[in-house]
Amino acid sequence: NAGVTQTPKFQVLKTGQSMTLQCAQDMNHNSMYWYRQDPGMGLRLIYYSASEGTTDKGEVPNGYNVSRLNKREFSLRLESAAPSQTSVYFCASRDGLAGANEQFFGPGTRLTVL
Amino acid sequence: TQLLEQSPQFLSIQEGENLTVYCNSSSVFSSLQWYRQEPGEGPVLLVTVVTGGEVKKLKRLTFQFGDARKDSSLHITAAQPGDTGLYLCAGGPGSAGNNRKLIWGLGTSLAVNP
Repeated sequence: NAGVTQTPKFQVLKTGQSMTLQCAQDMNHNSMYWYRQDPGMGLRLIYYSASEGTTDKGEVPNGYNVSRLNKREFSLRLESAAPSQTSVYFCASRDGLAGANEQFFGPGTRLTVL
Repeated sequence: TQLLEQSPQFLSIQEGENLTVYCNSSSVFSSLQWYRQEPGEGPVLLVTVVTGGEVKKLKRLTFQFGDARKDSSLHITAAQPGDTGLYLCAGGPGSAGNNRKLIWGLGTSLAVNP
């Protein structure tokens, strides 16, 4: 099993460009998450999907959109990138069963917006 | 708003020393998890504690959940360079909260020097 995979690993964008970060998990997990991690700010939740067909805003959703394509895949889209979106983005998944809070993370996408 | 405060924020020690990292809150959590994140990677779950007063050991790492389920500690005995990384605690909200989302601490960055 590959666990949680993310593409791309690195990306450089110019202000105003758009891009989609891809995430897939092969653990048959119900819930999936997108975080950003910045120095001194910790992990901040952007969006999450509790189950296939549902998405909800997290702590910092502005400037992002998500799509839960199917149970395996959860993508994050930046429609018009801004320098403030320079960050490391992590996708995570969780079984979703009652009491099972453990999250499994992908390796991250390092995004720089110039 | 539930918060988790970790201390210390940074720790640099020599190989063979012992250390303790703390994770504190004024809120009750249904569970508390500890993750370790190495440079360039996503966080990886080390342990989950769910019962007040619970102690779990993972080789040289000892984790404890406070009796009131508001705090936790991670103790490392005879630290080794391989223990270097960012240690994150994350809490599953109490019974009134949304158990789908974790509350994250900002992390403790540990450097173990040979």
